[in-house]
Amino acid sequence: QPVLTQSSSASASLGSSVKLTCTLSSGHRSYIIAWHQQQPGKAPRYLMKLEGSGSYNKGSGVPDRFSGSSSGADRYLTISNLQSEDEADYYCETWDSRVFGGGTKLTVL
Amino acid sequence: EVQLVESGGGLVQPGGSLRLSCAASGFTFSSYNINWVRQAPGKGLEWVSYISSSSSTIYYADSVKGRFTISRDNAKNSLYLQMNSLRAEDTAVYYCAPTVTTIEYWGQGTLVTVSS
Repeated sequence: QPVLTQSSSASASLGSSVKLTCTLSSGHRSYIIAWHQQQPGKAPRYLMKLEGSGSYNKGSGVPDRFSGSSSGADRYLTISNLQSEDEADYYCETWDSRVFGGGTKLTVL
Repeated sequence: EVQLVESGGGLVQPGGSLRLSCAASGFTFSSYNINWVRQAPGKGLEWVSYISSSSSTIYYADSVKGRFTISRDNAKNSLYLQMNSLRAEDTAVYYCAPTVTTIEYWGQGTLVTVSS
């Protein structure tokens, strides 16, 4: 089964951009993943589904500031014009949702 | 609007049982595979169990295999998780999450606390 690897933390300044990475294990580079956001004390929220080609489909109401891209086994979530409400944990998942990354805690400075 | 309402959580002693329910609306429930996903306090998301749209395929995480049973009733747009022989490490918020390759919707979750 695939394994998803995420950095445990990231930080960026208000109004800047940040790129979070989710890396698929060897032999699973073509897998589709999803990105989810979890703000403090809230349930997770679906952000987007991201293919190996870099094509992505966002969930309803997800701001244009959120975009996805891919390179090989890496799947990226880019957040532009960072807002305070973007401070959250971000998780990637795949394989019919049976595999989750460990999550990246994003701090907005 | 998609709604997922989990219920049935609560405080239970080690070795006890609980039955979680998830009531779904706003989408074609019978067309979706669905997962239970949990999150222990201060920890990340952990997959628990998967059931296909027709209930023909079911999977469990090793940590719950033999103790938990997933089921669904498409006529009632409902998903269930029967949890037996509960342990302290099962303490978590439990979410039902419909999936089409990946999760597309989340409920608000129901808290299960296993403690004496």
